[in-house]
Amino acid sequence: AQSVTQLDSHVSVSEGTPVLLRCNYSSSYSPSLFWYVQHPNKGLQLLLKYTSAATLVKGINGFEAEFKKSETSFHLTKPSAHMSDAAEYFCVVSGFGNEKLTFGTGTRLTIIP
Amino acid sequence: DGGITQSPKYLFRKEGQNVTLSCEQNLNHDAMYWYRQDPGQGLRLIYYSQIVNDFQKGDIAEGYSVSREKKESFPLTVTSAQKNPTAFYLCASSAYRDRGLEAGNTIYFGEGSWLTVV
Repeated sequence: AQSVTQLDSHVSVSEGTPVLLRCNYSSSYSPSLFWYVQHPNKGLQLLLKYTSAATLVKGINGFEAEFKKSETSFHLTKPSAHMSDAAEYFCVVSGFGNEKLTFGTGTRLTIIP
Repeated sequence: DGGITQSPKYLFRKEGQNVTLSCEQNLNHDAMYWYRQDPGQGLRLIYYSQIVNDFQKGDIAEGYSVSREKKESFPLTVTSAQKNPTAFYLCASSAYRDRGLEAGNTIYFGEGSWLTVV
């Protein structure tokens, strides 16, 4: 069994300040973890993924995430927020085979000018 | 450009009607998926297919049907048996590898289709 919990349903930050979106997971297997971004009325775009290689994963648009097994966390960060980062972000865990993807409920990121 | 094309973007259904959402991919991916997204919620898996002429139910398959006659196509029919069909539907695909090998293949998504019951 696997699950993922996004700890904040909504995060607001000022433009130019750091972003932190929190995700905790549980998995019976050695998991693969993903962050996806969704802009309004659009599909999901992959930001980054962890698949048991380096624990610090760099993604697109300046985002990165760190896999911490001891804390079962995979938090998403960005040093400086941009207005274009405003979107919904989903943390996703994959177990044994892609049909076992489990999505978090999402975190809406708002950027304050 | 390679990608996943969903159509139509917006669809309205009358009570008692079946409707079909189209999904085509030119990524040469083996696996295809249909997800449903309700406002403020994550995605839930409806059906998935790992090879042509084969598909499996996901977590919320009741009231839906699919076919996989071609590798690049995976249409979803929302039947009249689906009691609450108004939602955003997302098709996805991934390169599938046999069990026992690397998991965590990236899943790529289409732009989605809005279905509204009127």
